[in-house]
Amino acid sequence: GAGVSQSPSNKVTEKGKDVELRCDPISGHTALYWYRQRLGQGLEFLIYFQGNSAPDKSGLPSDRFSAERTGESVSTLTIQRTQQEDSAVYLCASSLAHRSYGYTFGSGTRLTVV
Amino acid sequence: RKEVEQDPGPFNVPEGATVAFNCTYSNSASQSFFWYRQDCRKEPKLLMSVYSSGNEDGRFTAQLNRASQYISLLIRDSKLSDSATYLCVVNSYSGGGADGLTFGKGTHLIIQP
Repeated sequence: GAGVSQSPSNKVTEKGKDVELRCDPISGHTALYWYRQRLGQGLEFLIYFQGNSAPDKSGLPSDRFSAERTGESVSTLTIQRTQQEDSAVYLCASSLAHRSYGYTFGSGTRLTVV
Repeated sequence: RKEVEQDPGPFNVPEGATVAFNCTYSNSASQSFFWYRQDCRKEPKLLMSVYSSGNEDGRFTAQLNRASQYISLLIRDSKLSDSATYLCVVNSYSGGGADGLTFGKGTHLIIQP
């Protein structure tokens, strides 16, 4: 597509439930990134995928968080047993090549855990 | 020391004025630099890359000072629509965070009529 697409745009879930967030990067972009942004805060790196290489998971805050990507296409970020502190906007970005270019961000998924 | 530091502001500037803000970075191996703009409750969007010789895009001018490890953004003839948070972004080939791009926390700019 023309841009990075994320779904859902908004998600309200009960504490303890699992959620799955989806990111569809720009076609041809080999690098894909997930960030978290809490209200009024900066971007917090979570994970990145580069082609078929093993993902860099160093930013994931706990083992409740996991992400997958099929080849160079769609990625899903899964949060298990959600907690209230997981409430944030989850942003996905893609890039032509890791570190070489600026990123294009999706419009994010606003997650609210009640 | 934080990898990318910005004055969070807010900068309150009258419409039509010129405003400038800086960003410092700690990794001397940094290779690429960007300014992003983020509107309230929106995703960050690339405003401009920053080149070694400095570059201009309309009312926006970006400069890089490698010796002092800072980049700047100058906005001339500011418009109400320039109100946003401006993120300084640094790309490092060593260090700079696992993701390769390190984002500052942003400078909040408010243009007042």
